Parts: sequence; structure tokens; C-alpha cells
Amino acid sequence: RKEVEQDPGPFNVPEGATVAFNCTYSNSASQSFFWYRQDCRKEPKLLMSVYSSGNEDGRFTAQLNRASQYISLLIRDSKLSDSATYLCVVNSPDSSYKLIFGSGTRLLVRP
Amino acid sequence: ETGVTQSPTHLIKTRGQQVTLRCSSQSGHNTVSWYQQALGQGPQFIFQYYREEENGRGNFPPRFSGLQFPNYSSELNVNALELDDSALYLCASSLGPDGNQPQHFGDGTRLSIL
Repeated sequence: RKEVEQDPGPFNVPEGATVAFNCTYSNSASQSFFWYRQDCRKEPKLLMSVYSSGNEDGRFTAQLNRASQYISLLIRDSKLSDSATYLCVVNSPDSSYKLIFGSGTRLLVRP
Repeated sequence: ETGVTQSPTHLIKTRGQQVTLRCSSQSGHNTVSWYQQALGQGPQFIFQYYREEENGRGNFPPRFSGLQFPNYSSELNVNALELDDSALYLCASSLGPDGNQPQHFGDGTRLSIL
């Protein structure tokens, strides 16, 4: 089983739609969680950290469910510019400096 | 504020050769982590440097080695290149080695092995 698992997609949605991605992680002792965004042939960029109480940044909402070991990302009012791959990231509990990336979920927002 | 910069942007090598990739960390950041990203996969952790020493290592063989300099810039060296080493190599810097610190990535070096 992969340490961080994501549905590869692609999720193909119209502009203005709401879309949600989930990610599961295998080690219950992980403490830090992030969502990164990666455009085609570009570097990953931090989208947001994920906190236990859930957090929101504009149209983006992240949730953490420790009991079920999953993280979610909700995007409201999708824009064409949201088209990208979204990477779920978890820190390694035995080596806190080590970040473990999922393979990413691809989002395509169509006009 | 200067972001993370990597050089070169692209590189083509043949099997058995050696390569050195370079990274300048974002100003104020003292920690550099290196990742390998194969096509269609997420980045895989290679190692991290903090205060000029290797602070941790992923599941990569010894032919992957690195350095960090007093100005916090870093190099990744790969010896005896193999076809499977073809990938995007990403450098990320952070304010410290703690996994709670968000990492900021450079544009990457795309390495192709023929």
C-alpha cells in the first residue's frame, strides 16, 4: 500500500463547479499535512497547510480526518486557472523532515 | 525576496556519466531538500541538508550524494547515471528542517539519460 494515495483523475468540471479531492495516508502518526499544486512541467507550489480544525483560504477548504486518515480539498466556483495537478503531502512520522507526496489528482476546468 | 533557483534547466547525459545539479535557497532559508520526480508520479525525497550536513535521506543509493555550502546553497551529485535516473530533480528550501515548515520549490532540472 502506498504511503499517500490519491485518485489520479482527471476530474473534468465546468467553470463555476465545486469539486472535492480526497487523499488517504497510511501512517496514523503523521503530524503535518499540506496540499501543493503543480502545473504541467512546472514545480510544485504550496497551496495550503491542513490543520486539525480544518481551514479555508478563499475558494479553497481543507479538512483533516485523523480517525479515518484522510485529507480533503474542496474547491468552490472553479476557474479555468485552477486546472492543474493537486498533490497531497504528509510528513513522515519517523523522519519529520521528510515529506511524502501522493502521485497527484489532475483537475481540468472547462469553459 | 529571491526564490529558489536551480541550474541547469535541462541536461542530457549518457549512461555511466556523472552529473552535478545546483540549487540556491530562498533568502532566509537554511534548509534544502532534494526530490526526484518521475513522469506521472509525485516527488520522491532524496535527502535534506541543514547546517551543511545531511540531515536525512530517502531510499536512494549512495551514488546520489550532496553538499550544502555556508550560504545554504546546495548541490546534488549523481554518479554512474542509469536510464531510470531520467526525471525532474527538484530542490526545495525551508526555514528549518522541521516537517512543519512549508517547503518552497525551484523550477527543477530536467535530466534525460540516453
